[in-house]
Amino acid sequence: GENVGLHLPTLSVQEGDNSIINCAYSNSASDYFIWYKQESGKGPQFIIDIRSNMDKRQGQRVTVLLNKTVKHLSLQIAATQPGDSAVYFCAETFILTGGGNKLTFGTGTQLKVEL
Amino acid sequence: DAGVIQSPRHEVTEMGQEVTLRCKPISGHDYLFWYRQTMMRGLELLIYFNNNVPIDDSGMPEDRFSAKMPNASFSTLKIQPSEPRDSAVYFCASSLTGGEAFFGQGTRLTVV
Repeated sequence: GENVGLHLPTLSVQEGDNSIINCAYSNSASDYFIWYKQESGKGPQFIIDIRSNMDKRQGQRVTVLLNKTVKHLSLQIAATQPGDSAVYFCAETFILTGGGNKLTFGTGTQLKVEL
Repeated sequence: DAGVIQSPRHEVTEMGQEVTLRCKPISGHDYLFWYRQTMMRGLELLIYFNNNVPIDDSGMPEDRFSAKMPNASFSTLKIQPSEPRDSAVYFCASSLTGGEAFFGQGTRLTVV
């Protein structure tokens, strides 16, 4: 499925290098933030999240950094692999009455991994 | 679990026709979301349900759009009548309370 907008930012990296994808968010009241990965023809897939009271969280090969002062979020992917090629979305989320999460997605960044 | 299942995967219809998109959430999930993805507007939340009850439909574009969830394992999004500007990929997602949202594969709708 086409998920790339006409003006979608693109990041090209060499296989094995580290990737840094950035995102600016708008609402300082967001409860937490999530990074999603979307491969062509598929739905978004959860990668990692971070609560608003944290500034760093690490997963397997991924790290998310949150700077609330400038409302900036970044996703770092270590040792980027061809399978990492996809569109990456950051999402703000609000905890709903009853505990669910309402996501508001950013525009996305296309990551291309070159061999 | 097979994940969130959407059908059909692709739908091509003529302007003015009724379109029904279907979703089966992950068993046990109590939240269900319908999103629309377009090149121009990205991913937009249309409506979400909690325990089969519609909670917030403020994202539904207009009265031509309606969604139902008759039981915990099934939801529909209907467009009647459809228009070319409704062409998009429609995603259904489900989650547990406090949990991450799992998305289906989407339905690519083309209205000609």
